[in-house]
Amino acid sequence: AQSVAQPEDQVNVAEGNPLTVKCTYSVSGNPYLFWYVQYPNRGLQFLLKYITGDNLVKGSYGFEAEFNKSQTSFHLKKPSALVSDSALYFCAVRDDGTGRRALTFGSGTRLQVQP
Amino acid sequence: DTGVSQDPRHKITKRGQNVTFRCDPISEHNRLYWYRQTLGQGPEFLTYFQNEAQLEKSRLLSDRFSAERPKGSFSTLEIQRTEQGDSAMYLCASSSFDPSGNTIYFGEGSWLTVV
Repeated sequence: AQSVAQPEDQVNVAEGNPLTVKCTYSVSGNPYLFWYVQYPNRGLQFLLKYITGDNLVKGSYGFEAEFNKSQTSFHLKKPSALVSDSALYFCAVRDDGTGRRALTFGSGTRLQVQP
Repeated sequence: DTGVSQDPRHKITKRGQNVTFRCDPISEHNRLYWYRQTLGQGPEFLTYFQNEAQLEKSRLLSDRFSAERPKGSFSTLEIQRTEQGDSAMYLCASSSFDPSGNTIYFGEGSWLTVV
């Protein structure tokens, strides 16, 4: 079975400071990992993904994520947070070894960036 | 590329009534997904189509739920005899066959409130 854990319900950071939103995963095969962002009453917007290759993945709006196979983690990072980054962030995983297409999402982390 | 379109965006219905949601995927995307999201939770997978074939169904998809994609383009999700527990946002998503990992793009969602 595939699963994702986002251990922090909320992350608070001051504008201009670096931010990290944590994600760990569990799969039996190779992971496909994704980050999405959701603004209030909206759908999910794709930020970035890791499939294979370089462990540091760069995505939209200055976000990046680092894949760590030994720690089974895929933390989302940004060097300098903006107030407009305040939103709900979801990590998701798909196990490439199962043949299934379903993504499993974490419960989400609310990012609050204070001015 | 007009994005994934969902209709209606909001639906309030009385318990016991039937409701139907429509999803128009990104043009030429042959894969289509339905997810459900309740307040404070991440999206949960419901079902997946490749062209007109329904290839995956979650155990969440009870016999009151039915999804179709008759011509491999738009899809409908019908909920019969709605219950208050069906109140949620229903998200549609689509993807193409993409060897780099099949990024899934979500629509804005259809909110269902059962009273």
